[in-house]
Formats: sequence, structure tokens, C-alpha cells
Amino acid sequence: DVKVTQSSRYLVKRTGEKVFLECVQDMDHENMFWYRQDPGLGLRLIYFSYDVKMKEKGDIPEGYSVSREKKERFSLILESASTNQTSMYLCATLLGTQETQYFGPGTRLLVL
Amino acid sequence: SQKIEQNSEALNIQEGKTATLTCNYTNYSPAYLQWYRQDPGRGPVFLLLIRENEKEKRKERLKVTFDTTLKQSLFHITASQPADSATYLCALGVGTGANNLFFGTGTRLTVIP
Repeated sequence: DVKVTQSSRYLVKRTGEKVFLECVQDMDHENMFWYRQDPGLGLRLIYFSYDVKMKEKGDIPEGYSVSREKKERFSLILESASTNQTSMYLCATLLGTQETQYFGPGTRLLVL
Repeated sequence: SQKIEQNSEALNIQEGKTATLTCNYTNYSPAYLQWYRQDPGRGPVFLLLIRENEKEKRKERLKVTFDTTLKQSLFHITASQPADSATYLCALGVGTGANNLFFGTGTRLTVIP
């Protein structure tokens, strides 16, 4: 079974703080994704990575950056957290030859 | 503009009945469509995939149909149980490449005992 873990289930940060969200997978999947999920808006793609050190912007990359130094780990960075970044953040992985994404449990971030 | 609409934000049904959830899309030409289940505070979990050349797919009590002419997928849960209560997301697979999955906003299903 694919296992995708996220560093925190709940996180509370203050406006202006730098925030790191980490995602780790154990199945050697090439592709990893960061989404945010908000009521009524569904899942929106922030960034994805198709290989180590490779990244592509998704639909809403503003205010975020990512890092993929190792295949199993994909980090989402909020450079200066703002209240409108309060959301549920979901990491997902995808094996290159497949079509199904595997999601982590999510991190619920509150920015005060 | 491109849209994926799941027609009900919330759906309540009686235990034992068949739940039917709808996913409509515009301005997409999906090669396949997926359905995911998401429990509160958890990530989505894949349930079923149906390709554009398939009319219907079944898995235990689940059935998915895909009508590319109507641009619609229906997701059925037969003999529903309270444990089926969750949010169900449809996702369209478009084109090739890793970044080709687009999600609907979901329907929250509650099965009442």
C-alpha cells in the first residue's frame, strides 16, 4: 500500500511567519503534488513536481514555493503566511505510468 | 470557461436506498473520470476509474456511468449504509502528463439510519 504522510495534522501560525509543510511518500512515485482545499472551491493545485529538483506551477502558486531535494520528500513553503492562506493542504503522489493519485491525510493550517 | 460541477453540495438519503451523485463538466474532453471518497479531516481515497470508451463500471455496491455526449458521470451507491457517509469527489483526467487531473468540489453524502 502507498503511504503518504504529512508532517502535521494541525498547524497554527501568525501572519508573516514562514511556514514549512512536509510530505513524505514511501512508494518511489515520480510525481508529487500540493493542493489546497477550501469549501465551495474544491481542490486547487498549487505546485507539482515530476522529479527531484523539478517543479511546475499549478493554478494558484502565488505566495507559495516548493522544494524537492529527495524523491520521497516534497515540501511546501509559505514565505510569509497570510490569513487568506488558512486552508486544508493536501499532498498527493502519482506513479508515472498510472492515473490514480494517492493523498496524504492533510494539514489544516490556521493563520492568525 | 472550464467547469466541473457536482450538482449537490449535500445529499441526505435513507439507509438501504440507492444514492446517486452527479458530476457534470463543460469545456473539457476527458480521457477518463475518477471518483474519490473523502472522510472529514482526511485526504481523498480513490474509488473507481472509468474511461471515455466505457459506459459503465462496477465495484461491489458502487456503479459509475460516463456519458461523453451529455458530459456527465453518475455515481451510484446501492443499499447505502451509514458508513457510506462522506464527501465524494469526481475528477477528470485530461490529456497526458502528470498534471492532468481536475477535481470537482464534491458532494457530501449523509446516509440516515
